[in-house]
Amino acid sequence: EAGVTQFPSHSVIEKGQTVTLRCDPISGHDNLYWYRRVMGKEIKFLLHFVKESKQDESGMPNNRFLAERTGGTYSTLKVQPAELEDSGVYFCASSQSSYNEQFFGPGTRLTVL
Amino acid sequence: DAKTTQPPSMDCAEGRAANLPCNHSTISGNEYVYWYRQIHSQGPQYIIHGLKNNETNEMASLIITEDRKSSTLILPHATLRDTAVYYCIVIWGDNDMRFGAGTRLTVKP
Repeated sequence: EAGVTQFPSHSVIEKGQTVTLRCDPISGHDNLYWYRRVMGKEIKFLLHFVKESKQDESGMPNNRFLAERTGGTYSTLKVQPAELEDSGVYFCASSQSSYNEQFFGPGTRLTVL
Repeated sequence: DAKTTQPPSMDCAEGRAANLPCNHSTISGNEYVYWYRQIHSQGPQYIIHGLKNNETNEMASLIITEDRKSSTLILPHATLRDTAVYYCIVIWGDNDMRFGAGTRLTVKP
């Protein structure tokens, strides 16, 4: 069974540019989560989808971040415009239900110059 | 607010048991204790979880005290590949996971 996949694995962009991260959850998992770790800090929750609906987006840092999950399958996280402090590793996780363990992807390392 | 307290770092000799403690004194009755680990810069990996009974799987054992205010993750025979940051998380239902700083376990030859 394929795990959670994320694309790209690395992204280097300049301040002010736009970047879109993609997450493909494990097939059949309705729950999809985004997390990020910025340099030197802890892993922080960003948001949670149940199918295509945003269950909880309380962790989204500001309106430069937009997450979508059209059709309830893969999800994208867009950062527009990117700022220096957005640099970090963005993880995606999925679970069969919100009561099951979450399986994490390998992460996307974002560097904003 | 991670709701758990873990030592920042621990060492363990290869082949010996690694016992990682976690305090969660404010845990509520319906919250589970989950353990994840992150090896270098990979995504966090699920290890084990429990409610009040001790649990064991192919990776580890989880010992939860009777009052549920603390728990210990046991890696019975630590290998160099177990070097990682280990996170203890308490969570109920569809609440979102809050990672703390975790414990950096270093397994030494």
